[in-house]
Amino acid sequence: DAGVIQSPRHEVTEMGQEVTLRCKPISGHDYLFWYRQTMMRGLELLIYFNNNVPIDDSGMPEDRFSAKMPNASFSTLKIQPSEPRDSAVYFCASSHPLQTEAFFGQGTRLTVV
Amino acid sequence: GENVEQHPSTLSVQEGDSAVIKCTYSDSASNYFPWYKQELGKGPQLIIDIRSNVGEKKDQRIAVTLNKTAKHFSLHITETQPEDSAVYFCAASYGSSNTGKLIFGQGTTLQVKP
Repeated sequence: DAGVIQSPRHEVTEMGQEVTLRCKPISGHDYLFWYRQTMMRGLELLIYFNNNVPIDDSGMPEDRFSAKMPNASFSTLKIQPSEPRDSAVYFCASSHPLQTEAFFGQGTRLTVV
Repeated sequence: GENVEQHPSTLSVQEGDSAVIKCTYSDSASNYFPWYKQELGKGPQLIIDIRSNVGEKKDQRIAVTLNKTAKHFSLHITETQPEDSAVYFCAASYGSSNTGKLIFGQGTTLQVKP
């Protein structure tokens, strides 16, 4: 398996624009997580899904953030409208129901100017 | 809420020396404690983990110890090498869930000087 695949790797956008981050989890993994990493706050869990259903979105900072998982092999994290303080590295991770290890993607570095 | 504290934030050692990173957690129900290594421009990668029914686990030069009573766990790297230089994160599971949902420490930047 190629691991968790995220796209794009880098995104630069202007304040107010919509941003969509994409993730393909490892095949067979039922759990999918979106994390945000910043210098100030470290790694924060934003939301996670089980079998494509959002289970806990308490980490989503504002209504400007939304996440979907239309099928087992694809998830998106959308920010609309984006703001400079959203600049961070966003990671997607997945895990198998019978194992606890979470496998991380390479991340998307988002810069909002 | 649940919290994981990690120390030190930076650590510099000479090649061949040992490095120790310590973490404490707040949720007594946590039962899974992984350690991740993050290299520049990459995502965190699991290097070792320990479950609450074990006090110590070793994998070559890396070992982790867990003290459930005191709610702290530590990462020990012996015979450090320059390629060990990276940011290391400890984490604890949210309660006893087996979902992979984790709370992360703030990270330790380890520098191994040749």
